[in-house]
Amino acid sequence: NAGVTQTPKFQVLKTGQSMTLQCAQDMNHEYMSWYRQDPGMGLRLIHYSVGAGITDQGEVPNGYNVSRSTTEDFPLRLLSAAPSQTSVYFCASSPRTQSNEKLFFGSGTQLSVL
Amino acid sequence: TQLLEQSPQFLSIQEGENLTVYCNSSSVFSSLQWYRQEPGEGPVLLVTVVTGGEVKKLKRLTFQFGDARKDSSLHITAAQPGDTGLYLCAGYYGQNFVFGPGTRLSVLP
Repeated sequence: NAGVTQTPKFQVLKTGQSMTLQCAQDMNHEYMSWYRQDPGMGLRLIHYSVGAGITDQGEVPNGYNVSRSTTEDFPLRLLSAAPSQTSVYFCASSPRTQSNEKLFFGSGTQLSVL
Repeated sequence: TQLLEQSPQFLSIQEGENLTVYCNSSSVFSSLQWYRQEPGEGPVLLVTVVTGGEVKKLKRLTFQFGDARKDSSLHITAAQPGDTGLYLCAGYYGQNFVFGPGTRLSVLP
């Protein structure tokens, strides 16, 4: 039972570099999302998707792109990394977009931008 | 400005003590969830409350949703070292869950 899988676990980038954080789920969930977690800030929503081919912005979308070509995968792209994007990133999924649904989280990617 | 506030931010107690942590907002939520997160891992759901005034118990943990559905509390009875972690509340807002900043609990043996 893989659940939500995130890769890589750790990444160091230089300012201006680009990279893609991978997220895959094997539970056939409709809803997927990306959060970033910073000390004292909790989890802040970056982008989310309610189904394949549908994406939308969350609270802090600037500097990030997403796509959802399949139900299983929801990659997060940093086009030109900045030190302000140093954070821990979590991907989450749930069966549907409903108020009583459980979010399943990956184990996170710790990103440092120098 | 965060939609959800949590207090206290940090809490360190001895094994066997009782504690309560709070999650507050000026907004009304259709549901509220509590998660626990351990170092190096993603949050794990503890409970979902959906009705104003609702009380749910999970072994030594008691969760309450405020009558106006703007706040919630988590009470732990006889805390154990295994309860150590970051406790996050999350309210359903629009199509997504909005998270509070968390309460970091340390239970010392």
